[in-house]
Amino acid sequence: IAGITQAPTSQILAAGRRMTLRCTQDMRHNAMYWYRQDLGLGLRLIHYSNTAGTTGKGEVPDGYSVSRANTDDFPLTLASAVPSQTSVYFCASSEQSGSSYEQYFGPGTRLTVT
Amino acid sequence: GQNIDQPTEMTATEGAIVQINCTYQTSGFNGLFWYQQHAGEAPTFLSYNVLDGLEEKGRFSSFLSRSKGYSYLLLKELQMKDSASYLCAVSSNDYKLSFGAGTTVTVRA
Repeated sequence: IAGITQAPTSQILAAGRRMTLRCTQDMRHNAMYWYRQDLGLGLRLIHYSNTAGTTGKGEVPDGYSVSRANTDDFPLTLASAVPSQTSVYFCASSEQSGSSYEQYFGPGTRLTVT
Repeated sequence: GQNIDQPTEMTATEGAIVQINCTYQTSGFNGLFWYQQHAGEAPTFLSYNVLDGLEEKGRFSSFLSRSKGYSYLLLKELQMKDSASYLCAVSSNDYKLSFGAGTTVTVRA
């Protein structure tokens, strides 16, 4: 069982370019999340999806968009990358039922915008 | 909104005990999580508290006081592999997590 996979592992991107970070989970979790992690700031929620077909904005959504066409996939798109979007991006998923809703994280994508 | 505070760094000796404190102010509360994150890796789940008291899981224990907005993670019999960042996260009523900035623990021989 792979859990959560993310692609690419790392990427260097020119400012102004469009980029989609991929995230796939095989645990059939209903909820998925995208975070960015920056030194000294911890993990900040970008967007989330409680179930396939729905999405919501997190703490830092500007410049990012997401879609949730099915249970397994939750891609994050940067429409026009800027240097401030240089960060490590983590995708996570959880099952929102009872007490079992801890989030499981993917390995991360390290993105550098130049 | 959420405000979550934890110390930036802590250092301890192999075999010792370290306590990482976390204080929070939140609008809505549905539980508190602790995660461990080794450098260059993803966070992994350690513990979850929703009721007041101590939850023990092997060498790690986590405590919660909802009235004080306070939690701690206790790491006993420290090992070199425990050197990592420890993240405190609070769940609001809609299951979303807000994370503290993390505490980097360095274990020295």
